[in-house]
Amino acid sequence: KQEVTQIPAALSVPEGENLVLNCSFTDSAIYNLQWFRQDPGKGLTSLLLIQSSQREQTSGRLNASLDKSSGRSTLYIAASQPGDSATYLCAVLNTGNQFYFGTGTSLTVIP
Amino acid sequence: NAGVTQTPKFRVLKTGQSMTLLCAQDMNHEYMYWYRQDPGMGLRLIHYSVGEGTTAKGEVPDGYNVSRLKKQNFLLGLESAAPSQTSVYFCASSPGQAQYSNQPQHFGDGTRLSIL
Repeated sequence: KQEVTQIPAALSVPEGENLVLNCSFTDSAIYNLQWFRQDPGKGLTSLLLIQSSQREQTSGRLNASLDKSSGRSTLYIAASQPGDSATYLCAVLNTGNQFYFGTGTSLTVIP
Repeated sequence: NAGVTQTPKFRVLKTGQSMTLLCAQDMNHEYMYWYRQDPGMGLRLIHYSVGEGTTAKGEVPDGYNVSRLKKQNFLLGLESAAPSQTSVYFCASSPGQAQYSNQPQHFGDGTRLSIL
Protein backbone atom coordinates (compact mmCIF):
# COMPACT_ATOMS: atom_id res chain seq x y z
CA LYS A 1 0.00 0.00 0.00
CA GLN A 2 1.26 3.45 -0.90
CA GLU A 3 2.45 5.55 2.02
CA VAL A 4 2.90 9.32 1.59
CA THR A 5 4.89 11.24 4.18
CA GLN A 6 5.36 14.98 4.53
CA ILE A 7 8.11 16.53 6.61
CA PRO A 8 8.03 18.79 8.52
CA ALA A 9 4.51 18.65 9.93
CA ALA A 10 4.70 22.36 10.76
CA LEU A 11 6.96 25.19 9.69
CA SER A 12 7.19 28.83 10.71
CA VAL A 13 9.30 31.31 8.73
CA PRO A 14 9.71 35.09 8.54
CA GLU A 15 8.27 36.89 5.55
CA GLY A 16 10.54 36.98 2.53
CA GLU A 17 12.32 33.74 3.24
CA ASN A 18 12.60 30.98 0.62
CA LEU A 19 11.44 27.58 1.85
CA VAL A 20 11.18 23.94 0.84
CA LEU A 21 8.46 21.45 1.73
CA ASN A 22 9.14 17.75 1.36
CA CYS A 23 7.00 14.82 0.28
CA SER A 24 8.08 11.19 0.04
CA PHE A 25 6.20 8.13 -1.20
CA THR A 26 6.95 4.43 -0.95
CA ASP A 27 5.68 3.08 -4.28
CA SER A 28 7.24 4.65 -7.38
CA ALA A 29 4.54 3.25 -9.71
CA ILE A 30 2.66 6.53 -9.95
CA TYR A 31 0.97 8.43 -12.76
CA ASN A 32 1.36 11.87 -11.25
CA LEU A 33 1.97 13.86 -8.09
CA GLN A 34 0.01 16.93 -7.07
CA TRP A 35 0.59 19.67 -4.53
CA PHE A 36 -2.47 21.24 -2.92
CA ARG A 37 -3.09 24.15 -0.59
CA GLN A 38 -5.74 23.95 2.12
CA ASP A 39 -6.90 26.98 4.06
CA PRO A 40 -8.67 26.50 7.42
CA GLY A 41 -12.25 25.33 6.96
CA LYS A 42 -11.86 25.10 3.22
CA GLY A 43 -11.32 22.47 0.58
CA LEU A 44 -8.14 21.76 -1.34
CA THR A 45 -6.88 23.99 -4.12
CA SER A 46 -4.54 22.46 -6.67
CA LEU A 47 -1.21 24.28 -6.99
CA LEU A 48 0.92 22.11 -9.27
CA LEU A 49 0.60 18.74 -11.00
CA ILE A 50 3.65 16.82 -12.18
CA GLN A 51 3.19 13.88 -14.53
CA SER A 52 5.40 10.86 -13.86
CA SER A 53 7.44 11.61 -17.00
CA GLN A 54 8.19 15.17 -15.86
CA ARG A 55 10.84 16.42 -13.48
CA GLU A 56 9.35 19.73 -12.38
CA GLN A 57 6.58 22.26 -12.76
CA THR A 58 6.56 25.98 -12.02
CA SER A 59 3.81 28.46 -11.29
CA GLY A 60 4.76 31.95 -10.20
CA ARG A 61 6.76 31.74 -6.97
CA LEU A 62 6.15 27.98 -6.70
CA ASN A 63 8.34 25.24 -8.11
CA ALA A 64 7.70 21.54 -7.60
CA SER A 65 10.16 18.80 -8.46
CA LEU A 66 9.70 15.06 -8.76
CA ASP A 67 12.25 12.27 -8.46
CA LYS A 68 10.10 9.22 -9.05
CA SER A 69 12.87 6.67 -8.67
CA SER A 70 13.75 7.86 -5.17
CA GLY A 71 10.12 8.53 -4.21
CA ARG A 72 10.59 12.20 -3.44
CA SER A 73 9.06 15.54 -4.33
CA THR A 74 9.78 19.04 -3.09
CA LEU A 75 7.73 22.22 -3.21
CA TYR A 76 9.86 25.35 -3.28
CA ILE A 77 8.22 28.65 -2.32
CA ALA A 78 10.23 31.76 -3.13
CA ALA A 79 9.99 35.03 -1.22
CA SER A 80 7.30 33.81 1.16
CA GLN A 81 4.39 36.08 2.08
CA PRO A 82 1.89 36.00 4.97
CA GLY A 83 -0.78 35.04 2.45
CA ASP A 84 1.10 31.80 1.84
CA SER A 85 0.16 30.63 5.34
CA ALA A 86 -1.87 27.45 4.90
CA THR A 87 -1.52 23.67 4.99
CA TYR A 88 0.21 22.16 1.97
CA LEU A 89 -0.65 18.62 0.93
CA CYS A 90 0.91 16.34 -1.61
CA ALA A 91 -0.93 13.47 -3.27
CA VAL A 92 0.16 10.71 -5.63
CA LEU A 93 -1.98 8.88 -8.17
CA ASN A 94 -1.09 5.19 -8.19
CA THR A 95 -1.29 2.97 -11.23
CA GLY A 96 -4.28 1.43 -9.43
CA ASN A 97 -5.98 4.77 -10.17
CA GLN A 98 -6.34 5.77 -6.55
CA PHE A 99 -5.03 8.94 -4.95
CA TYR A 100 -3.01 8.79 -1.75
CA PHE A 101 -2.50 11.92 0.32
CA GLY A 102 0.12 12.99 2.82
CA THR A 103 -0.89 14.49 6.15
CA GLY A 104 0.35 17.93 5.16
CA THR A 105 2.74 20.63 6.29
CA SER A 106 1.22 23.55 8.16
CA LEU A 107 3.05 26.71 7.07
CA THR A 108 3.00 30.01 8.95
CA VAL A 109 4.70 33.04 7.41
CA ILE A 110 5.36 35.71 10.03
CA PRO A 111 5.07 39.34 8.88
CA ASN B 1 -18.73 29.69 -11.30
CA ALA B 2 -19.74 27.26 -8.52
CA GLY B 3 -17.36 24.35 -9.24
CA VAL B 4 -18.00 21.64 -6.64
CA THR B 5 -20.73 22.28 -4.08
CA GLN B 6 -21.31 20.16 -0.99
CA THR B 7 -24.50 20.08 1.05
CA PRO B 8 -24.80 20.38 4.03
CA LYS B 9 -21.72 22.18 5.39
CA PHE B 10 -22.25 21.01 8.98
CA ARG B 11 -24.30 18.26 10.58
CA VAL B 12 -24.59 16.60 13.97
CA LEU B 13 -26.10 13.12 14.13
CA LYS B 14 -26.87 10.63 16.83
CA THR B 15 -25.46 7.11 16.64
CA GLY B 16 -27.66 4.94 14.43
CA GLN B 17 -29.19 7.78 12.43
CA SER B 18 -28.88 7.88 8.69
CA MET B 19 -28.12 10.74 6.34
CA THR B 20 -27.05 11.58 2.81
CA LEU B 21 -24.35 14.03 1.78
CA LEU B 22 -24.81 15.65 -1.60
CA CYS B 23 -22.06 16.68 -4.00
CA ALA B 24 -22.85 18.63 -7.15
CA GLN B 25 -20.45 19.76 -9.87
CA ASP B 26 -21.15 22.05 -12.80
CA MET B 27 -18.01 21.36 -14.84
CA ASN B 28 -19.33 18.32 -16.74
CA HIS B 29 -16.64 16.14 -15.13
CA GLU B 30 -16.79 12.39 -15.59
CA TYR B 31 -14.99 11.37 -12.39
CA MET B 32 -16.19 12.13 -8.89
CA TYR B 33 -14.74 11.15 -5.51
CA TRP B 34 -15.63 11.11 -1.81
CA TYR B 35 -12.85 11.46 0.78
CA ARG B 36 -12.74 11.74 4.53
CA GLN B 37 -10.12 13.81 6.34
CA ASP B 38 -9.13 12.93 9.88
CA PRO B 39 -6.41 14.53 12.04
CA GLY B 40 -3.04 12.88 11.52
CA MET B 41 -4.30 10.60 8.75
CA GLY B 42 -4.60 12.75 5.65
CA LEU B 43 -7.39 12.33 3.13
CA ARG B 44 -8.60 8.80 2.46
CA LEU B 45 -10.72 7.75 -0.50
CA ILE B 46 -14.11 6.30 0.44
CA HIS B 47 -15.76 5.68 -2.95
CA TYR B 48 -15.44 7.06 -6.44
CA SER B 49 -17.29 7.08 -9.74
CA VAL B 50 -15.92 7.04 -13.27
CA GLY B 51 -19.19 8.08 -14.88
CA GLU B 52 -22.95 8.28 -14.53
CA GLY B 53 -24.36 5.06 -13.14
CA THR B 54 -21.01 3.69 -11.96
CA THR B 55 -19.41 3.50 -8.51
CA ALA B 56 -16.33 1.80 -7.06
CA LYS B 57 -14.82 1.27 -3.62
CA GLY B 58 -11.86 3.23 -2.40
CA GLU B 59 -9.58 2.70 0.55
CA VAL B 60 -12.17 2.98 3.37
CA PRO B 61 -15.63 2.08 1.98
CA ASP B 62 -17.14 0.23 4.95
CA GLY B 63 -20.23 1.88 6.46
CA TYR B 64 -20.86 4.07 3.40
CA ASN B 65 -22.86 3.74 0.20
CA VAL B 66 -22.85 5.97 -2.87
CA SER B 67 -24.93 6.64 -5.94
CA ARG B 68 -24.33 8.50 -9.22
CA LEU B 69 -27.73 8.66 -10.87
CA LYS B 70 -26.92 11.93 -12.64
CA LYS B 71 -23.55 12.93 -14.03
CA GLN B 72 -23.44 16.13 -12.01
CA ASN B 73 -24.35 14.58 -8.64
CA PHE B 74 -22.58 12.11 -6.37
CA LEU B 75 -24.33 11.11 -3.14
CA LEU B 76 -22.68 9.63 -0.05
CA GLY B 77 -24.94 7.80 2.37
CA LEU B 78 -24.45 6.70 5.95
CA GLU B 79 -27.08 4.06 6.74
CA SER B 80 -26.37 3.78 10.49
CA ALA B 81 -23.97 6.46 11.69
CA ALA B 82 -21.23 5.53 14.16
CA PRO B 83 -18.93 7.83 16.22
CA SER B 84 -15.97 6.55 14.15
CA GLN B 85 -17.52 8.31 11.15
CA THR B 86 -17.05 11.73 12.75
CA SER B 87 -14.89 13.47 10.18
CA VAL B 88 -14.69 16.13 7.51
CA TYR B 89 -15.94 14.79 4.18
CA PHE B 90 -14.69 16.18 0.89
CA CYS B 91 -16.06 15.65 -2.56
CA ALA B 92 -13.89 16.13 -5.65
CA SER B 93 -14.28 15.85 -9.40
CA SER B 94 -11.97 15.57 -12.39
CA PRO B 95 -12.53 15.66 -16.17
CA GLY B 96 -11.45 12.16 -17.14
CA GLN B 97 -9.05 9.36 -16.51
CA ALA B 98 -6.62 10.96 -14.12
CA GLN B 99 -3.58 9.15 -15.44
CA TYR B 100 -4.05 10.72 -18.88
CA SER B 101 -5.00 14.16 -17.71
CA ASN B 102 -3.13 17.27 -16.76
CA GLN B 103 -6.27 18.50 -15.06
CA PRO B 104 -6.21 18.24 -11.28
CA GLN B 105 -9.07 17.33 -9.06
CA HIS B 106 -11.42 20.12 -7.99
CA PHE B 107 -12.57 19.99 -4.37
CA GLY B 108 -15.63 21.22 -2.52
CA ASP B 109 -15.34 23.03 0.81
CA GLY B 110 -16.24 19.99 2.86
CA THR B 111 -18.98 18.75 5.18
CA ARG B 112 -18.16 18.66 8.88
CA LEU B 113 -20.01 15.71 10.38
CA SER B 114 -20.17 14.85 14.09
CA ILE B 115 -21.69 11.63 15.35
CA LEU B 116 -22.65 11.64 19.02
